[in-house]
Amino acid sequence: EVQLVESGGGLVQPGGSLRLSCAASGFTFSDHYMDWVRQAPGRGLEWVGRTKNKASFYITEYAASVKGRFTISRDDSKKSMFLQMNSLKAEDTAVYYCGCWIRGHPYWGQGTLVTVSS
Amino acid sequence: DIVMTQSPESLTVSLGERATINCKSSQNVFDTYMNQEYLAWYQQKPGQPPKVLIYWASTRESGVPDRFSGSGSGTDFTLTISSVQHEDVAVYYCQQYRSVPCSFGQGTKLEIK
Repeated sequence: EVQLVESGGGLVQPGGSLRLSCAASGFTFSDHYMDWVRQAPGRGLEWVGRTKNKASFYITEYAASVKGRFTISRDDSKKSMFLQMNSLKAEDTAVYYCGCWIRGHPYWGQGTLVTVSS
Repeated sequence: DIVMTQSPESLTVSLGERATINCKSSQNVFDTYMNQEYLAWYQQKPGQPPKVLIYWASTRESGVPDRFSGSGSGTDFTLTISSVQHEDVAVYYCQQYRSVPCSFGQGTKLEIK
């Protein structure tokens, strides 16, 4: 069974940093692309970024709203993905979900809440 | 970037009636390598993560009731609930995953009359 568990959320001040983690199990992590998606309170879903697999040279891609501030990385040996968030703004407040794509089938975790506030 | 537009924004139907939600993409989401439409539908209830209903435009996720069906191709897609039940009250989203950014529709809120 595919499982994705996010962690690392919390309260951070504007301009601060936070690192989210996504622990994966139930599939061959190293073979698959991994995404981050977020949802601000009362709003819709927003794609944040992606890390491709080793075969695609671990290329990362980002939404324009986070490019230059957020960095996605992965550790295939630990079956984990990370989201380093710097220069956080109030509008980054959201539940952050990690996801993966397995033969066109999406899987998503339960999410972790990030609150940016003074 | 591909823009996804859902309609209607909200939908109120009677119990047992059919509900239809539309999703239009600004570009084709068909992938010639996989020979599939890269379009997914999600259901989200308050306080819960999105739940996958449909992927590849028409493949129903395991365990999803067969009253849910997806159809369409190219740029026009539809999620149909053949006989709406109380537990179907939720917000529904479409998402294209043909190319990044993997954009979502703005959501359609389904309520029971």
